[in-house]
Amino acid sequence: RKEVEQDPGPFNVPEGATVAFNCTYSNSASQSFFWYRQDCRKEPKLLMSVYSSGNEDGRFTAQLNRASQYISLLIRDSKLSDSATYLCVVNAFNAGNMLTFGGGTRLMVKP
Amino acid sequence: ETGVTQTPRHLVMGMTNKKSLKCEQHLGHNAMYWYKQSAKKPLELMFVYNFKEQTENNSVPSRFSPECPNSSHLFLHLHTLQPEDSALYLCASSQELTSGQEQFFGPGTRLTVL
Repeated sequence: RKEVEQDPGPFNVPEGATVAFNCTYSNSASQSFFWYRQDCRKEPKLLMSVYSSGNEDGRFTAQLNRASQYISLLIRDSKLSDSATYLCVVNAFNAGNMLTFGGGTRLMVKP
Repeated sequence: ETGVTQTPRHLVMGMTNKKSLKCEQHLGHNAMYWYKQSAKKPLELMFVYNFKEQTENNSVPSRFSPECPNSSHLFLHLHTLQPEDSALYLCASSQELTSGQEQFFGPGTRLTVL
């Protein structure tokens, strides 16, 4: 079983749509959770951290379910510029800052 | 953005060549990382350095040899590589090695081994 599992997509959605991505992780000792964004042929960049209580940043909402070992990202009112690959990332307890990346979910927002 | 720079951006090498990848971070960070990103695979952590000391070698073959002369610079020395080593090699840094720190990535070196 992969440590961090994501649906690779692609998710093709029209502008203005709401889209949700899910991610599951296998290590119950995982302590920190993130969503990174990677544009085509570019480096990954932090989109947002994911907190136990859930958190929102503008059009983006992240949720964590520790019991189910599940993380989600919701994007509302999709923009063309949201087209990218979204990487689910976890960090295990006592693993320093060593991150485990999922394979990414590709989003394509169409006009 | 020039927080983390990498050179060269593209590299083509034969299996018998020796080359080095360079990473420099201008963020005053203490931890630096090398990752490999192959097509259709997740980013794989290769090496971790904290205050110039290597803290992690993630079962990487010895044909990859890292070097960290100071907290701002990180090298990856390559020799006798295989075609399956062709990938995007990404350098990253974070303020500390403690959990939960944001990692800042360089633009990567796209390596092709012939």
